[in-house]
Formats: sequence, structure tokens, C-alpha cells
Amino acid sequence: QVQLVESGGGVVQPGGSLRLSCAASGFTFSSYGMHWVRQAPGKGLEWVAFIRYDGSNKYYADSVKGRFTISRDNSKNTLYLQMNSLRAEDTAVYYCAMSLAGYYDILTGYYDYFDYWGQGTLVTVSS
Amino acid sequence: AIWMTQSPSLLSASTGDRVTISCRMSQGISSYLAWYQQKPGKAPELLIYAASTLQSGVPSRFSGSGSGTDFTLTISCLQSEDFATYYCQQYYSFPRTFGQGTKVEIK
Repeated sequence: QVQLVESGGGVVQPGGSLRLSCAASGFTFSSYGMHWVRQAPGKGLEWVAFIRYDGSNKYYADSVKGRFTISRDNSKNTLYLQMNSLRAEDTAVYYCAMSLAGYYDILTGYYDYFDYWGQGTLVTVSS
Repeated sequence: AIWMTQSPSLLSASTGDRVTISCRMSQGISSYLAWYQQKPGKAPELLIYAASTLQSGVPSRFSGSGSGTDFTLTISCLQSEDFATYYCQQYYSFPRTFGQGTKVEIK
């Protein structure tokens, strides 16, 4: 069965960096797009970033563009999120998420919802 | 970006009630809409995708409707385990966006 396990969260000072990992199993990792979604304490869900199955396309939320980088290592079945220039407002639980039903339309793009989520890893940005 | 307006933000209801949550888009998204349920301290769980398709294992008291810009999640007969927060999410385009959430609490 599909398993997504995040790691790498912790406490970091404003301006600092952190790299999150998401270890995937139970499916052919190299065939599916992957996402990061976050949730600040007591707040709603916020989509963060997406990477295509082969790493050739990436999309970011405006709130993290230029500071965060999504990447993947298909040989290790692992998704990453490199977070730089961290701010207090980046404090959140970070989830990796994906869908086995995702598909590409050559004309209009990639369509997928989130039927699998990890358990989340907490990032706290504080001095 | 596609903006989403989810309402209400808080819904007080009793077991057995029929409840409806609305999600309105700033532009048409065909049927590329999903609904999630989230309980405290847990990751969200998919309830409905393609606006009206029930995810496997989800009770039939949950239903979704709508297309274009206006969507609805209905719980036909609220059960105790349904008290949670619900989110809509569009997957028509990037950036993906979520509604603000609706907390369903016990009246």
C-alpha cells in the first residue's frame, strides 16, 4: 500500500534553512507527480509546490517562490523540499501528497487531487 | 490564481442533520474539484473528487455536486464521526488552491 513518510522538520531561526524529505513506498514513485502542502497552526491548508514525475516541471505558491525548491530522487524514491530564507509565517506542518489517479493532458496540463498524504512534519521558525 | 470562497466557515449541527457546504470559484474549473475531511492532529482525507465521485470507502451519506464555478458538499445524515473540518480544493490549474475550510461542530 502507498506510504508517504516525511522527515526533517524542526526548529530553525528566521533566515535559516531546512530540508524536508518524503520517503515513498508502495507505488512506482518515478511515474507520479508529487506535491507539498502545509498547514500553519490553527489555520487552513495551503498548497506549496509540485514536481512532475521526471522532475522536468515544477510549480510553486507565490508565498514560497524564490525561497523554496522542490526536487526528487527517483532512484531513492524520495521527494525533497529545500527551504531557505525561512520566515515566521513558514511555521507549519508540511505534508507530502499525491494521487495514483493523476494524469497528463498533452494540451491542458496535469490533473490530480490528493488521495494519499503523509503524516506531516512540523517546521517551527522562531528565534 | 483561482480564488475559492468556501462557506460557511463554521457550521453548528446535530447528529442526524442534513448539512451543506458551498465552494465558489473565481473562474470556471469544469469538474476539477475535490473535497477533504480533516480531524484534529491528522492529515486530510479525500472524500470526493471530480466534483461528485465518492472516494472508495467513503460513506454514501456524503455527496458532491456542481460544475464550473459553484460546488456543494452535502452530508445527508450527520454522524458523530463527521464532526470535523472540510476543505474544497481545485486541481484545474496551478497554483492549486484550497477553500478556507468549514468546521462542523456539535450544536
